[in-house]
Amino acid sequence: NAGVTQTPKFQVLKTGQSMTLQCAQDMNHNSMYWYRQDPGMGLRLIYYSASEGTTDKGEVPNGYNVSRLNKREFSLRLESAAPSQTSVYFCASSESVGPGNTIYFGEGSWLTVV
Amino acid sequence: GQQVMQIPQYQHVQEGEDFTTYCNSSTTLSNIQWYKQRPGGHPVFLIQLVKSGEVKKQKRLTFQFGEAKKNSSLHITATQTTDVGTYFCAGPISGGGADGLTFGKGTHLIIQP
Repeated sequence: NAGVTQTPKFQVLKTGQSMTLQCAQDMNHNSMYWYRQDPGMGLRLIYYSASEGTTDKGEVPNGYNVSRLNKREFSLRLESAAPSQTSVYFCASSESVGPGNTIYFGEGSWLTVV
Repeated sequence: GQQVMQIPQYQHVQEGEDFTTYCNSSTTLSNIQWYKQRPGGHPVFLIQLVKSGEVKKQKRLTFQFGEAKKNSSLHITATQTTDVGTYFCAGPISGGGADGLTFGKGTHLIIQP
């Protein structure tokens, strides 16, 4: 059981380049999330998808777009990467949103923008 | 928006000593969750607390939820090197139409042998 799988694991981008982080979960979860983690800042929610066909902004959405391709897949796109987007990105999923739902994280994607 | 504050940010202990991290919210939480992240790894769910004054134990870990449901703590008795990592508390995001969890900034536990 793979859980939450995200790719790539490591990526170096030049400022202005675009890229898409891919995420898939095999737990039949309704809700999916993208978080970023920076030193001293903890985990901050970028975007989430409460269910297939819906997406909503989180705490730090600027500079990102997302697509809930189907129930399994939720991608994060950087249209024009900036050094401030250097971070570790975690995709996550849960059975649904709301209190009481455990969040399961992928292994993370280390992104460096130079 | 709702914030979950966590202290301390870093804690150095000698192996065998106890460790405690505290989590405080500006508003009442319906529940609180705790996660552990090993160095280089991803956050992994530890436990959820729902009831006022709830106490749960997992071997050497004791989790408490305050009576007012605004604070929580994680206490580790007799730390071991396997306890190294960052411990996060997380509460439901409320208001502004956002769902999911808001995480504290975490407490980094560093253990000296």
